[in-house]
Amino acid sequence: EVQLVESGGGLIQPGGSLRLSCAASGFTVSSNYMSWVRQAPGKGLEWVSVIYSGGSTYYADSVKGRFTISRDNSKNTLYLQMNSLRAEDTAVYYCASTGVYSSSSLFDYWGQGTLVTVSS
Amino acid sequence: QSVLTQPPSASGTPGQRVTISCSGSSSNIGSNYVYWYQQLPGTAPKLLIYRNNQRPSGVPDRFSGSKSGTSASLAISGLRSEDEADYYCAAWDDSLSGPVVFGGGTKLTVL
Repeated sequence: EVQLVESGGGLIQPGGSLRLSCAASGFTVSSNYMSWVRQAPGKGLEWVSVIYSGGSTYYADSVKGRFTISRDNSKNTLYLQMNSLRAEDTAVYYCASTGVYSSSSLFDYWGQGTLVTVSS
Repeated sequence: QSVLTQPPSASGTPGQRVTISCSGSSSNIGSNYVYWYQQLPGTAPKLLIYRNNQRPSGVPDRFSGSKSGTSASLAISGLRSEDEADYYCAAWDDSLSGPVVFGGGTKLTVL
């Protein structure tokens, strides 16, 4: 059974840093594309970052230079290092897999989400 | 605003057929697959349609997807109260918008 479990969210002051984790089971993180998608309170979904199976990474303009996506193959875990956090980064952060159910299935499995609140 | 355009709301009565549109451009919908997600209140999104019109196992055949040119649609037939949710479209994008773009979401209300 495929499962994604995020952790690491919480309340953080503006300018602070936080690292989110996404532990995967039932498939291999390094063999698939893995993404972070966020949802601000009462708003829609926003793609944040992706790491491809080959290791290439991409970021939304809104987080470029501040967020870093990475993975630990030995732990089968995805990470999102978030620095210089701003109030507008407040959101539920989801990790999502691509290509696990089918080779062409985008965001086929999602974690339950972890809430990040940036406030003083 | 979102790169893909969806109506903010839609509604229908039980048993009805409703459609939700998703409009994009040649760099996303026009040249890539479209995906649809259902987000029930308080839960994570769930893949509903992939590769324009394919349903993952477990998704009822009341849900169907289609694509034509730079637009796509999600149709829900035999509407049920449990279909009340937010629906999002997404697609890969070949421009500088980013690898993946979403629609703004459509809130479906079952009257």
